[in-house]
Amino acid sequence: NAGVTQTPKFQVLKTGQSMTLQCAQDMNHNSMYWYRQDPGMGLRLIYYSASEGTTDKGEVPNGYNVSRLNKREFSLRLESAAPSQTSVYFCASRHRENTEAFFGQGTRLTVV
Amino acid sequence: KQEVTQIPAALSVPEGENLVLNCSFTDSAIYNLQWFRQDPGKGLTSLLLIQSSQREQTSGRLNASLDKSSGRSTLYIAASQPGDSATYLCAVGPPTGTYKYIFGTGTRLKVLA
Repeated sequence: NAGVTQTPKFQVLKTGQSMTLQCAQDMNHNSMYWYRQDPGMGLRLIYYSASEGTTDKGEVPNGYNVSRLNKREFSLRLESAAPSQTSVYFCASRHRENTEAFFGQGTRLTVV
Repeated sequence: KQEVTQIPAALSVPEGENLVLNCSFTDSAIYNLQWFRQDPGKGLTSLLLIQSSQREQTSGRLNASLDKSSGRSTLYIAASQPGDSATYLCAVGPPTGTYKYIFGTGTRLKVLA
C-alpha cells in the first residue's frame, strides 16, 4: 500500500519555465490537497479538491493551477515559475473531514 | 481568522524525560485537531486526530488533549527516546465544509542520548 505518491522528488526550474507536480493516492480518499512549506511559515494551503470533479482555492493560489484528473490523482501546475515559488510542496489526502490526513514525501522545487 | 501557534519553536531534552508540546489556536470553533511528526527532508506522518467532541486521544507513549474553550491542545510524550527527535506540527480543522486546515509552524524536538 503506497499511500500518497508524489513525483518528482526534486526539480530545478529556470524562471518562466512551466511544470506539473503529480500526486496519486491509492486509499480511495475523497479529498486531496496541495500545500507548500517554507521556513518559518509552516504549511500553507495552495488548492484543495473536496471530491472528484471539484477544486477550490486555498490560502496562496496565485501562480498555480490544479486538476483533479480522477479520484486518485491531483496535479499542481506552475505555468510560469518564479523564484518566490521555490519551496517544498506536499500533497495530502483524507477520506472525509473527520478522518486523518495522509501526506506524500514532498517535492523540493528550486526556481533559479 | 484562525491562527495556530506552537511554542517553543525548539526543545532539547535528555532521553527518558516526559515532555509536553503545546498548540494554541485563536478560534475555538474547530472541527478537529491533528498532530503530525515530520522528520528532516520527509513528509508528515499522522500521530493523533482528536475530534472536537473528544478531550483526549492516546497512542502508545503519546497522549494528546484538547481544550477548545481555552484554545489549547497538548501532546504528551512519555519516556522520550532519541528516535522521537523530529518536528511536531499541529493542524486545526475548521467547522464542517471548508477543508482549510490551518497548521502551526511546529516544535523541533531533539532528544539527547
